Amino acid sequence: NAGVTQTPKFQVLKTGQSMTLQCAQDMNHNSMYWYRQDPGMGLRLIYYSASEGTTDKGEVPNGYNVSRLNKREFSLRLESAAPSQTSVYFCASSEAAQPATFGSGTRLTVV
Amino acid sequence: QKEVEQNSGPLSVPEGAIASLNCTYSDRGSQSFFWYRQYSGKSPELIMFIYSNGDKEDGRFTAQLNKASQYVSLLIRDSQPSDSATYLCAVLVSGGYNKLIFGAGTRLAVHP
Repeated sequence: NAGVTQTPKFQVLKTGQSMTLQCAQDMNHNSMYWYRQDPGMGLRLIYYSASEGTTDKGEVPNGYNVSRLNKREFSLRLESAAPSQTSVYFCASSEAAQPATFGSGTRLTVV
Repeated sequence: QKEVEQNSGPLSVPEGAIASLNCTYSDRGSQSFFWYRQYSGKSPELIMFIYSNGDKEDGRFTAQLNKASQYVSLLIRDSQPSDSATYLCAVLVSGGYNKLIFGAGTRLAVHP
């Protein structure tokens, strides 16, 4: 009963470095999402994918890219990390109008 | 105008009281509405979902939806200190693709 798996759980980057956050779900969901959450704030949508082969920008896409590799996997890439991207990142998946299931999150610090 | 708005709180209620959390949304075509609870340092967990106008009850929780007013609320009866958390309202925005948008969350504090 893995659900949504995110890796890594913690990461420290230097400004300008790149990295990819991985997300995989085993529930055969079509929709997948990437959010960021800053201290004391709600979840802000970065990118989402309604189905395999499609991706769309959310509320805060600047500085990020995504890849929907297949139905299971949806990765988030930071090409040149900035301190403003220090945050907790959550991946989620859902099917049609059903509630979304969340991963455990990745805590990213950019110094 | 933000797509989903919530009062950030904190909302402080005594143990045993009813906590009322409110949320408004801007997309009139939205059909699916969710309430998540999030403890500090944890992932959001689903509390309630509602699709039709009216009330939906599950244990101590009641979700209320009024599509004409673009308003959704969550009532927590007999509030317990363990209910102290941030409550996030989420709306599945219509328009072809499923886009799940969250409000900023309301922090609830239940004091003994």
